[in-house]
Amino acid sequence: DVVLTQSPLSLPVTLGQPASVSCRSSQSLVHSGGKTFLYWFHQRPGQSPRRLIYKVSNRDSGVPDRFSGSGSGTDFTLQISRVEAEDIGIYYCMQGTHWPPTFGQGTKLEI
Amino acid sequence: QVQLVQSGGEVKKPGASVKVSCKASGYAFHSYDINWVRQTAGQGLEWMGWMNPDSGNANSAEKFQGRVTMTRNTSITTAYLELSSLTSEDTAVYYCTRGPGFDPWGQGTQVTVSS
Repeated sequence: DVVLTQSPLSLPVTLGQPASVSCRSSQSLVHSGGKTFLYWFHQRPGQSPRRLIYKVSNRDSGVPDRFSGSGSGTDFTLQISRVEAEDIGIYYCMQGTHWPPTFGQGTKLEI
Repeated sequence: QVQLVQSGGEVKKPGASVKVSCKASGYAFHSYDINWVRQTAGQGLEWMGWMNPDSGNANSAEKFQGRVTMTRNTSITTAYLELSSLTSEDTAVYYCTRGPGFDPWGQGTQVTVSS
């Protein structure tokens, strides 16, 4: 199975400051068709995960533009330009390129 | 709006089975896969399996093969996950999510396995 390694696992942040989460894959996530199925999810305490980013860099509807995704191959990054209080929780990356789908361990954003 | 609503929490004894439902609305049920993901206390997310509501074809992670059954009732746009031979290690929150992009997710169903 593809192993996704996130760093850091805990991320203390200051409101209004930027934050960044890294996700590294044990193998390339480029599908044979050329697309890269790397996703980012946010889970607030007591809630279900919510998708923020699909296929590396596409923001979902309703996701603030302070969130952005980038990367290619095996290295990916989620960036928050200015952290707000509602951003607390755990961020997960997930790959859907190779079977089975796998998730990173999660990064806990703490203010 | 697209919504997945899951059944309520369950408490089961070791060795029993549990069946969780996932009611879909707001989209064409047969057009999107349903994935099942679980989350143990304080742990991350673990993909369990996938089902195509149109054909009924399903596949599960190796870890769960032989213990998991994924079905659906298209007339009521509901998918089901059944997990058998439960142990305490199956205590978790079980989620359904619409595939292949894993969006959106159901609210989760707490399954507790305890003697």
